[in-house]
Amino acid sequence: DAKTTQPPSMDCAEGRAANLPCNHSTISGNEYVYWYRQIHSQGPQYIIHGLKNNETNEMASLIITEDRKSSTLILPHATLRDTAVYYCIVRAHGGSSNTGKLIFGQGTTLQVKP
Amino acid sequence: DAMVIQNPRYQVTQFGKPVTLSCSQTLNHNVMYWYQQKSSQAPKLLFHYYDKDFNNEADTPDNFQSRRPNTSFCFLDIRSPGLGDAAMYLCATSRGWTYEQYFGPGTRLTVT
Repeated sequence: DAKTTQPPSMDCAEGRAANLPCNHSTISGNEYVYWYRQIHSQGPQYIIHGLKNNETNEMASLIITEDRKSSTLILPHATLRDTAVYYCIVRAHGGSSNTGKLIFGQGTTLQVKP
Repeated sequence: DAMVIQNPRYQVTQFGKPVTLSCSQTLNHNVMYWYQQKSSQAPKLLFHYYDKDFNNEADTPDNFQSRRPNTSFCFLDIRSPGLGDAAMYLCATSRGWTYEQYFGPGTRLTVT
């Protein structure tokens, strides 16, 4: 699996958009970009994933650059409950257990402030 | 509605005393995973089941075993816990390899 690079921490004001960057310069053509988050003392929670097109769901938007070497997770109106560690993971879609694994990096700790 | 349930949420065991953590799911997912998360670290996959097929990660210590008696339940057995096994243990499920994983709240294990 390709590795990802994320800033260790970020702050965001409540009500503003939170933009979390992720670099994945060695991503392969069959690898998707996944985002999970982990609120303190809880299990990780799936947010969104994409291959090359931008994606949006009720939680967030995912913007992937045209060369697919980086992406940004956008929380459009951050709340205090969005304070968490955000993990960007690249993961192939294939038919074996190896390609299906989630390999977590250190993530970005997002602190949403009042 | 809880979908991935882990019991207990907190477990204290003594050094060397076997301990079992349990996970159950109401999602009828094919795949169940166990992760270990030590303090201030990211979750690390220990092993997983696809239906009854067991897949062990290469660096998972032999001290860790797992059982999946049916689709809904999966157990993590630590045969002889050491102080270094103190961690949060996370169970997750997914429909298949390429689907998103749903995590339980975790069991925090303390070894005294």
